[in-house]
Amino acid sequence: DAKTTQPTSMDCAEGRAANLPCNHSTISGNEYVYWYRQIHSQGPQYIIHGLKNNETNEMASLIITEDRKSSTLILPHATLRDTAVYYCIDPNSGGSNYKLTFGKGTLLTVNP
Amino acid sequence: DAGVIQSPRHEVTEMGQEVTLRCKPISGHNSLFWYRQTMMRGLELLIYFNNNVPIDDSGMPEDRFSAKMPNASFSTLKIQPSEPRDSAVYFCASSLWHRNTEAFFGQGTRLTVV
Repeated sequence: DAKTTQPTSMDCAEGRAANLPCNHSTISGNEYVYWYRQIHSQGPQYIIHGLKNNETNEMASLIITEDRKSSTLILPHATLRDTAVYYCIDPNSGGSNYKLTFGKGTLLTVNP
Repeated sequence: DAGVIQSPRHEVTEMGQEVTLRCKPISGHNSLFWYRQTMMRGLELLIYFNNNVPIDDSGMPEDRFSAKMPNASFSTLKIQPSEPRDSAVYFCASSLWHRNTEAFFGQGTRLTVV
């Protein structure tokens, strides 16, 4: 089972930053944390991943705590198209190396 | 690249019939994953392959399910015989077999068994 913990749902106003937290307290020292999202009726989509340093790409920023037990995905200016389920993944959560096991994720609803 | 291609997009079949779902991974990727998604159970990993070899099939629900990858550009997931509880969306994904990389998902096959 996934060893990450995320809130079930969150709301965000359009144009504001969306901050999605994830607890991954059992992640191993050399394992990356991955974020994916799934827009309704589509396949999951990769967003970003990180090890210990903060990461940024064209989609989002990822802030990882120094102890690596948690991280926050930031969508700096959320749009209605960002409404989706966001998954935080520890690739070892399935019990073997690099097995992307999805939990229930956070349903982010961006409101106009 | 067209991405991961799955076919058919929708399948409706009668209970007891054989169903075959198909997947074409992204060219050059050597890892392939099959997932099943339902409202009740979410996204479940069924099986994954590395270099066409099944690495972990512990998620395959029962013997009625089988998956093959005869070459690097094609994989099938077969259900025989199908049952109504197999109704779900089945996703295929591919990636490079590397810890620090991303997986790309297809659009899925929505299977309905009546």
